[in-house]
Amino acid sequence: DAKTTQPTSMDCAEGRAANLPCNHSTISGNEYVYWYRQIHSQGPQYIIHGLKNNETNEMASLIITEDRKSSTLILPHATLRDTAVYYCIVRPDTGRRALTFGSGTRLQVQP
Amino acid sequence: EAEVAQSPRYKITEKSQAVAFWCDPISGHATLYWYRQILGQGPELLVQFQDESVVDDSQLPKDRFSAERLKGVDSTLKIQPAELGDSAMYLCASSPPSGRARSVDEQFFGPGTRLTVL
Repeated sequence: DAKTTQPTSMDCAEGRAANLPCNHSTISGNEYVYWYRQIHSQGPQYIIHGLKNNETNEMASLIITEDRKSSTLILPHATLRDTAVYYCIVRPDTGRRALTFGSGTRLQVQP
Repeated sequence: EAEVAQSPRYKITEKSQAVAFWCDPISGHATLYWYRQILGQGPELLVQFQDESVVDDSQLPKDRFSAERLKGVDSTLKIQPAELGDSAMYLCASSPPSGRARSVDEQFFGPGTRLTVL
């Protein structure tokens, strides 16, 4: 799986958009970008994934650059409950495989 | 909404003792994973099951760790003997069969078992 690079930590004001970047410059054509988050003392939770088009669901939006070498997860109106570690994971669509987690970005939403 | 169940939530043991963790995946989920998460790091795979068969246990320290999923439903992870370095969160996750997930490959995680070895 391609390697990802994320900032160690970020702060965001409550009610503002949180933009979490991820670099995946070695991504291959058949690899998807997945985002998971882990709230303190809980298991990771799936947020969103995409291949090359931008994606949006009820939790977040995913913006993937045209060259697919980086992406941004957007939480449009961050709340205190969004404080968590966010993991960007790149992996091919080849069936059921384990996730390879990096260290992620620790997002602190400030009141 | 269905959830992955794990027990116990917390376990404190002394080194050289045996410990066991239990996981009950979401009903119908054929794939089950055990991950270990050391404080401050992301989870790392220990073992992956497809039904009752082990698909990947390359990162499982087999001299002391064992895992089973005898009937292809719930699973047990055992450590014997426990060492100080085994202190970590042990996470279980499951995935539905291919083609039935609402995403390409979404894994559903349980709350984890936090192990402290003294």
